[in-house]
Amino acid sequence: DAKTTQPPSMDCAEGRAANLPCNHSTISGNEYVYWYRQIHSQGPQYIIHGLKNNETNEMASLIITEDRKSSTLILPHATLRDTAVYYCIVRGSFVALNFGKGTSLLVTP
Amino acid sequence: NAGVTQTPKFQVLKTGQSMTLQCAQDMNHNSMYWYRQDPGMGLRLIYYSASEGTTDKGEVPNGYNVSRLNKREFSLRLESAAPSQTSVYFCASSGDSRKNTEAFFGQGTRLTVV
Repeated sequence: DAKTTQPPSMDCAEGRAANLPCNHSTISGNEYVYWYRQIHSQGPQYIIHGLKNNETNEMASLIITEDRKSSTLILPHATLRDTAVYYCIVRGSFVALNFGKGTSLLVTP
Repeated sequence: NAGVTQTPKFQVLKTGQSMTLQCAQDMNHNSMYWYRQDPGMGLRLIYYSASEGTTDKGEVPNGYNVSRLNKREFSLRLESAAPSQTSVYFCASSGDSRKNTEAFFGQGTRLTVV
């Protein structure tokens, strides 16, 4: 599976959009981009995933560049409860998710 | 819906003791996983079971054994606990590990080995 690079930490004001970047320059054609988050040492929670088209669900939007070498997770209106560690994971043929260190997002009042 | 249930939630062991961490899922998922998370680190895969009757090593399998008891249950055993195994252990399940479906995680077992 391809390696991902994320900033270690980010801040966002409550009510504003949080844009979390992820680089995955070695991604191959059959690999999906997944996003999970972990709130205060709870079990990770699935957010969204995509292959090449942009995706949106009730939690977030996922924007994948045309060359698929990077992506951005967008939380449109961040709340204090969105403070968490966010993991960008590229998954292909290997069966399990490989977690890196993620981005620690702090949403401030 | 219970989802993925782990027991116990907390455990303290003495070095050399053994114990089994239990995990059960009620979503009829084929694939199950065990991860560990050390302070300030991401999750690392210990073992996984792609389907009932199969198990495979992950990134950090040394010191652990697993049993896929049936489709619902996947246990992790520490035969002789060591302080280096102090960690938070997460179990997860997914519909089919070869398809791109989401994984669901339990709330973790916090293990301290003294």
